Amino acid sequence: GESVGLHLPTLSVQEGDNSIINCAYSNSASDYFIWYKQESGKGPQFIIDIRSNMDKRQGQRVTVLLNKTVKHLSLQIAATQPGDSAVYFCAERSQGAGGTSYGKLTFGQGTILTVHP
Amino acid sequence: DSGVTQTPKHLITATGQRVTLRCSPRSGDLSVYWYQQSLDQGLQFLIQYYNGEERAKGNILERFSAQQFPDLHSELNLSSLELGDSALYFCASSVAGGDTGELFFGEGSRLTVL
Repeated sequence: GESVGLHLPTLSVQEGDNSIINCAYSNSASDYFIWYKQESGKGPQFIIDIRSNMDKRQGQRVTVLLNKTVKHLSLQIAATQPGDSAVYFCAERSQGAGGTSYGKLTFGQGTILTVHP
Repeated sequence: DSGVTQTPKHLITATGQRVTLRCSPRSGDLSVYWYQQSLDQGLQFLIQYYNGEERAKGNILERFSAQQFPDLHSELNLSSLELGDSALYFCASSVAGGDTGELFFGEGSRLTVL
């Protein structure tokens, strides 16, 4: 049969606004989370990470919040710019069989962020 | 530019064929990862090599295999190709023995199986 593509959530904002991208993760045993950004035609690019012993971490214009109680992760982008337009992925470190490599990541489906000038 | 180089950028082949994708990691990185990105499955981890040895394995099909050579470049071999193997294949690398998920991705190899 024909494959159905993923229908990604979308977020559309005006330049200068703050953006919040949300992610629900599935594995309560995950202890490490990351946000990646993927621009059209390029590979994913690391934005920020957070370990499960933290609930907030800040970078340059970005903040990641982690709520382990409800298994929720969010990425806040301050003063969003047109160059921030991309697909944003949350990812968690996969544990279990095969080791606990920090690079063995389970990616979410992604959110399309569009920033209008 | 992430510093990770993948070739070829595009590849079109027929069902049943075999292809090899090549990856050169960033200078100094010992770990290489392969990910598959398809429309219906998203980004999926396939396999990781560290300094020539397999370190972690994901949902990699038996028809697929990979290796990392002494010069640290890696190859992903895909055989008996099926239509569903059409996807973007990304290679990524990371610092040696790092405790971080900061991977540096290449621009990918787009495989189309007809």
